[in-house]
Amino acid sequence: DTAVSQTPKYLVTQMGNDKSIKCEQNLGHDTMYWYKQDSKKFLKIMFSYNNKELIINETVPNRFSPKSPDKAHLNLHINSLELGDSAVYFCASSPTGRAYNEQFFGPGTRLTVL
Amino acid sequence: DQQVKQNSPSLSVQEGRISILNCDYTNSMFDYFLWYKKYPAEGPTFLISISSIKDKNEDGRFTVFLNKSAKHLSLHIMPSQPGDSAVYFCAALTSGTYKYIFGTGTRLKVLA
Repeated sequence: DTAVSQTPKYLVTQMGNDKSIKCEQNLGHDTMYWYKQDSKKFLKIMFSYNNKELIINETVPNRFSPKSPDKAHLNLHINSLELGDSAVYFCASSPTGRAYNEQFFGPGTRLTVL
Repeated sequence: DQQVKQNSPSLSVQEGRISILNCDYTNSMFDYFLWYKKYPAEGPTFLISISSIKDKNEDGRFTVFLNKSAKHLSLHIMPSQPGDSAVYFCAALTSGTYKYIFGTGTRLKVLA
């Protein structure tokens, strides 16, 4: 009964490949996020969707494209992978309807680009 | 331009003593602050939060203090337990946005 799940947990791939990371939440939340945690452990927001609509799009290369087929899913597709894309990617969700909400995070996907 | 900073990358505390983790921010528009705890190979989990209309919030062994004039918040864990050993992140938010800004984390080690 995992609240926020991500697949795969580990992803090792070659430079130039295209890969996807999937995220699903069963909490009934309206808002979902993608974060990148780099080698310096800095957790930085990349995207946020609210009810399948993109609401935050940080300065992220356009090789990264989020896709939200429904409000329980937010997938991350990465084209032409580069060495610098190696990081841990976290998906998160939060309820809406209040001014402030805590986020619920998935376990992370460790991406290694060789 | 890091708007949320945790200047201590690590902290060691004896079991039973108080742990104090600090966080500074620069953006005066932030009005909600959160602390998350993260174990290795897991995602961050929410611990406690505080809105800018308060200066203290308490939940069991965890207390968060907010000093708006100094743009500083701290998390107190008392008494500290070995299971509290983890990385702690503070985060800040401006109401009406969904943009959570995280600090770089402080690794807490509670020694038995």
